[in-house]
Amino acid sequence: NAGVTQTPKFQVLKTGQSMTLQCAQDMNHEYMSWYRQDPGMGLRLIHYSVGAGITDQGEVPNGYNVSRSTTEDFPLRLLSAAPSQTSVYFCASSYSATQTNRVRANVLTFGAGSRLTVL
Amino acid sequence: QKEVEQDPGPLSVPEGAIVSLNCTYSNSAFQYFMWYRQYSRKGPELLMYTYSSGNKEDGRFTAQVDKSSKYISLFIRDSQPSDSATYLCAMEFAGGTSYGKLTFGQGTILTVHP
Repeated sequence: NAGVTQTPKFQVLKTGQSMTLQCAQDMNHEYMSWYRQDPGMGLRLIHYSVGAGITDQGEVPNGYNVSRSTTEDFPLRLLSAAPSQTSVYFCASSYSATQTNRVRANVLTFGAGSRLTVL
Repeated sequence: QKEVEQDPGPLSVPEGAIVSLNCTYSNSAFQYFMWYRQYSRKGPELLMYTYSSGNKEDGRFTAQVDKSSKYISLFIRDSQPSDSATYLCAMEFAGGTSYGKLTFGQGTILTVHP
């Protein structure tokens, strides 16, 4: 089982260029999400999806687009890269876990990350 | 002010020490509390999660939640060099409508030296 696979692992862009970060999961998870991680800021949610054809914005969506045509894939597009988008990007998929009879929590499985530098 | 605050450290301890990692939060609607561990250049991985207030133990790790104080902790007993990582607290709202949207703390960098 590969889990969550992200490509590329590293990328350098010039300001104004566009690119797509790929994310694929093979666990048949319903939910998928993109986070960015910056020093001192923790992980912040960019966009998320609750199923094929359904996406919504997270905390920091500006400058990014997503789509989800299949359960397995959730690409993140940078429309016009800016230096402020230099970051490490993590894709995650999730399922609901149960604890006794309570309403479920979501357990995220993360990819290994994509390190993006925008010059 | 961030919804979840976590002391970024760094924290350096000798092998065998008891480590205490903490987070505070401001939104009382959070119901699920998680700790993720992230090794250098890797993605975070779930360590433990708890529902509402209380304790949960898993081997050398104990998670505590005090909802009245809006304070959560992770204790690591008999710490090992392999525990050296960044530890992230994360929180989720109740119910089935969070869709995997978590709110993370800033992460604490922990080094356990032999």
